Amino acid sequence: GAGVSQSPRYKVAKRGQDVALRCDPISGHVSLFWYQQALGQGPEFLTYFQNEAQLDKSGLPSDRFFAERPEGSVSTLKIQRTQQEDSAVYLCASSLVGGSTYEQYFGPGTRLTVT
Amino acid sequence: DQQVKQNSPSLSVQEGRISILNCDYTNSMFDYFLWYKKYPAEGPTFLISISSIKDKNEDGRFTVFLNKSAKHLSLHIVPSQPGDSAVYFCAASANTDKLIFGTGTRLQVFP
Repeated sequence: GAGVSQSPRYKVAKRGQDVALRCDPISGHVSLFWYQQALGQGPEFLTYFQNEAQLDKSGLPSDRFFAERPEGSVSTLKIQRTQQEDSAVYLCASSLVGGSTYEQYFGPGTRLTVT
Repeated sequence: DQQVKQNSPSLSVQEGRISILNCDYTNSMFDYFLWYKKYPAEGPTFLISISSIKDKNEDGRFTVFLNKSAKHLSLHIVPSQPGDSAVYFCAASANTDKLIFGTGTRLQVFP
């Protein structure tokens, strides 16, 4: 079956621009996660949804970052007024149910470059 | 503060030999540990996991060992194959849904 998909795969934004990154989780997966991976680092947690409810947003680095999942399926991560330090790969993952003991399936990521 | 550490950025192993990847953690509240494998331009792929109530979990060529007193876990791959060449991430969770990842170890298996 189809895995987690993300679009766009690559995004170049000028500093100050707003960007929107999309994640299509595996159909039927309840939980959805966003991670940020800087060059040479491991993924860092940003936020987590269970269905449409955003249960944890403790990892969002600033109020310029906003995530939504209005119908409990597709999710969008929005970054306003992008800065150079926002350059990273943004990974989306989904899992069948909540709880970390359930495997998280990752998408290929969106590589954001802010110039 | 890096709660999950992978101190070896790279490892090179000959095909057929054992690969041992190490991971240390500082948070004693972690109760579940996972290893992910990542190829270039792809997302991480789940490999194997272990609960804190166990000290070993095996799946085919892959075995994860957990030493809670030392706050250390390791991934053993035997025999190593060229297709195993990738970046391996250790991750942990503390009874929550979010994963805390290490910085990764790049494994290269050469013929």
